[in-house]
Amino acid sequence: DAGVIQSPRHEVTEMGQEVTLRCKPISGHNSLFWYRQTMMRGLELLIYFNNNVPIDDSGMPEDRFSAKMPNASFSTLKIQPSEPRDSAVYFCASSRTANTEAFFGQGTRLTVV
Amino acid sequence: AQKITQTQPGMFVQEKEAVTLDCTYDTSDPSYGLFWYKQPSSGEMIFLIYQGSYDQQNATEGRYSLNFQKARKSANLVISASQLGDSAMYFCAMREGAGRRALTFGSGTRLQVQP
Repeated sequence: DAGVIQSPRHEVTEMGQEVTLRCKPISGHNSLFWYRQTMMRGLELLIYFNNNVPIDDSGMPEDRFSAKMPNASFSTLKIQPSEPRDSAVYFCASSRTANTEAFFGQGTRLTVV
Repeated sequence: AQKITQTQPGMFVQEKEAVTLDCTYDTSDPSYGLFWYKQPSSGEMIFLIYQGSYDQQNATEGRYSLNFQKARKSANLVISASQLGDSAMYFCAMREGAGRRALTFGSGTRLQVQP
């Protein structure tokens, strides 16, 4: 079974540009999470979906960030406009149920110059 | 208040010895799960072990075991017979409220296994 698939693996973009990160969760998993990891702040939850519905988006930094989950097999995280402080590794993770472990994708390393 | 506290930024252990990585948590919810993840230098997050708040026995997975002390709100990870490949960052995480909330992570402990 394929794991959580994220694309792209690496993204370098200029300040002000739109960035879209993509995630395909493990088939059959009903929870999906987006996390951001930086040296300064560690692993931060951005948003949590359950059955495609956003449950907790309190971690989304500001209006420049938006996330969608149009169906059970796909989610996007969009940053518009991007800023250098958005540079981080963005992880997508999914879990089968509310109480089981989350499996992480390989992450997208975003660099905004 | 911090939900998950990992007080050891870095740990060293000799190969083949056991090591304990500390984790304390804070919740008022009676239903929660505790997780440990490993992040090697390559960057991926690898699930290691899970303990539910209602589990009577400590979880074990191969060389990993979780020393769960509910009254003290601690969930320490014990790695037995350390191997060089165990060198990595280790994160403790908690999920409260029967899944109504997402995983919250601690700041991590960097473990270095020395030959």
